[in-house]
Amino acid sequence: GNSVTQMEGPVTLSEEAFLTINCTYTATGYPSLFWYVQYPGEGLQLLLKATKADDKGSNKGFEATYRKETTSFHLEKGSVQVSDSAVYFCALSNSGGYNKLIFGAGTRLAVHP
Amino acid sequence: ETGVTQTPRHLVMGMTNKKSLKCEQHLGHNAMYWYKQSAKKPLELMFVYNFKEQTENNSVPSRFSPECPNSSHLFLHLHTLQPEDSALYLCASSPEEPNTEAFFGQGTRLTVV
Repeated sequence: GNSVTQMEGPVTLSEEAFLTINCTYTATGYPSLFWYVQYPGEGLQLLLKATKADDKGSNKGFEATYRKETTSFHLEKGSVQVSDSAVYFCALSNSGGYNKLIFGAGTRLAVHP
Repeated sequence: ETGVTQTPRHLVMGMTNKKSLKCEQHLGHNAMYWYKQSAKKPLELMFVYNFKEQTENNSVPSRFSPECPNSSHLFLHLHTLQPEDSALYLCASSPEEPNTEAFFGQGTRLTVV
């Protein structure tokens, strides 16, 4: 079946540090991959996405590349800010039948000044 | 403005109460979802509806009863809940086609006392 595995948090960084949050997946077919972000007290917001192998999704300085050979979609940002503190979820959507999103467990990021 | 609106934002209910959560979307989507988010647990997909028909029920206890009267509205009827059902309940919608992203509401924070 389809599944998503993320690195466990929390991840604690100083402002301007480099961020990597690892995500790997198991899927049949050719899923699309997503990163969602959840700020305190809010629902999930789409951060970026990639729909096929070697695609790079990017938004607000965050990037992730769809790597089919390693079944990975790691999230990176070159210089984090305090305002990036949130929970980040990696997700995939199936490529057949009706639409369904499968989420990883989430990784909490705390950025300190 | 996320396009997906959930009400109420907060709900406290006793174990013998009956209450309903409401979700509304005006994005023209034909798929709607209920997710449960508990502390320190992965996001759990509860129900999926496509074109008003339930296409997935992930072994959810019968004290949770979904209703989808049309493609724009989704309800979650609650009765005889337990304290462990306290969680953030998130509604989402998406196009029905596979490989598309979902849009989330801000959630209803439910506390069962």
